[in-house]
Amino acid sequence: KAGVTQTPRYLIKTRGQQVTLSCSPISGHRSVSWYQQTPGQGLQFLFEYFSETQRNKGNFPGRFSGRQFSNSRSEMNVSTLELGDSALYLCASSKGTVGGEAFFGQGTRLTVV
Amino acid sequence: GESVGLHLPTLSVQEGDNSIINCAYSNSASDYFIWYKQESGKGPQFIIDIRSNMDKRQGQRVTVLLNKTVKHLSLQIAATQPGDSAVYFCAVTTDSWGKFQFGAGTQVVVTP
Repeated sequence: KAGVTQTPRYLIKTRGQQVTLSCSPISGHRSVSWYQQTPGQGLQFLFEYFSETQRNKGNFPGRFSGRQFSNSRSEMNVSTLELGDSALYLCASSKGTVGGEAFFGQGTRLTVV
Repeated sequence: GESVGLHLPTLSVQEGDNSIINCAYSNSASDYFIWYKQESGKGPQFIIDIRSNMDKRQGQRVTVLLNKTVKHLSLQIAATQPGDSAVYFCAVTTDSWGKFQFGAGTQVVVTP
């Protein structure tokens, strides 16, 4: 059974640019959550999608957005990149029930210069 | 709001000994808890979970204990091995889809 796949693994972008990250969940999983991991703030929740609908959202500015497709694949977009957006972005896949096991991908390492 | 903390940033343990990693949470409504292991350059790996209607759950070489009275969670690793060296996170949720609050992480270093 394939795990959670995130692409690309590494990205380098310039301040002011935008970026799109992709996450393919485990087959049969309908929920995708996104997290930002930094040394200073740890793992912070961005948002969660289930059946193409955002069900939950963290405390990030509107520059961070996401969407989910009918095949459960999800993308997150960050516009007008800032240096502080440099982080490991992780997505987690689950069946979508409350309190369900969540499995993470390897993450996308974004560096903003 | 909810906060999650870990008691020790680094835990050094001798190979073969048992490890105990602790986690405190503040929201008494928290009802589902997961321990993750993260190795360098990788995403968090699911280790074991426990729901609020349980006090203890065992897996392979791991045991999670939940004390709801004092809002405390622990992960015990039996016979710690070099491959157990990693950062361990507790994750807590309060009946909220996909939204986990993570602890800061404990770095476990296994020495020979």
